[in-house]
Amino acid sequence: SQELEQSPQSLIVQEGKNLTINCTSSKTLYGLYWYKQKYGEGLIFLMMLQKGGEEKSHEKITAKLDEKKQQSSLHITASQPSHAGIYLCGADAAGRRALTFGSGTRLQVQP
Amino acid sequence: EPEVTQTPSHQVTQMGQEVILRCVPISNHLYFYWYRQILGQKVEFLVSFYNNEISEKSEIFDDQFSVERPDGSNFTLKIRSTKLEDSAMYFCASSVGWETQYFGPGTRLLVL
Repeated sequence: SQELEQSPQSLIVQEGKNLTINCTSSKTLYGLYWYKQKYGEGLIFLMMLQKGGEEKSHEKITAKLDEKKQQSSLHITASQPSHAGIYLCGADAAGRRALTFGSGTRLQVQP
Repeated sequence: EPEVTQTPSHQVTQMGQEVILRCVPISNHLYFYWYRQILGQKVEFLVSFYNNEISEKSEIFDDQFSVERPDGSNFTLKIRSTKLEDSAMYFCASSVGWETQYFGPGTRLLVL
């Protein structure tokens, strides 16, 4: 079965700093999804990547999927307190809809 | 913006009791899902549902669990006889097709 490993597990940054979160898969990724979760709340969809080398941006968040489709990164530019939360990567396997999730990266942004 | 809704937000029950968790998926979505997240652990897939039948389920989804779409809007998860280890946050999700799954806010279930 597919395993997703996220790093770092937690991150504390000063407001305005850039940061990167990584998600590494044990198998080739079919679809890779980034979600944000506030503690004890639901998952908010951020971005989906499918093609090797693909890069998507929304506001100050950029996600990339490497060429071999086994790793994705999420980059936040000029972080703000509103970026704080838990970032989860999720993946589905070919022919399956079940998402497998990583353990999450807890981000704190200090004003 | 359309969103997935879930009720109740919190549920406390005694071990052995039946619980029903309710979800209203986004209206034009055709695929429905349940996931759970035990405190401090990963989000885990339970079941997916399409065209009024289960299309996929995990090993967690045993005979104690069932899903139903009783009408055109609701999607329910029933746990027949709850156990302590069923305590978790349960998330409903929906998607149009083989695309992005949109999650609800969750129901926090506590089994005593």
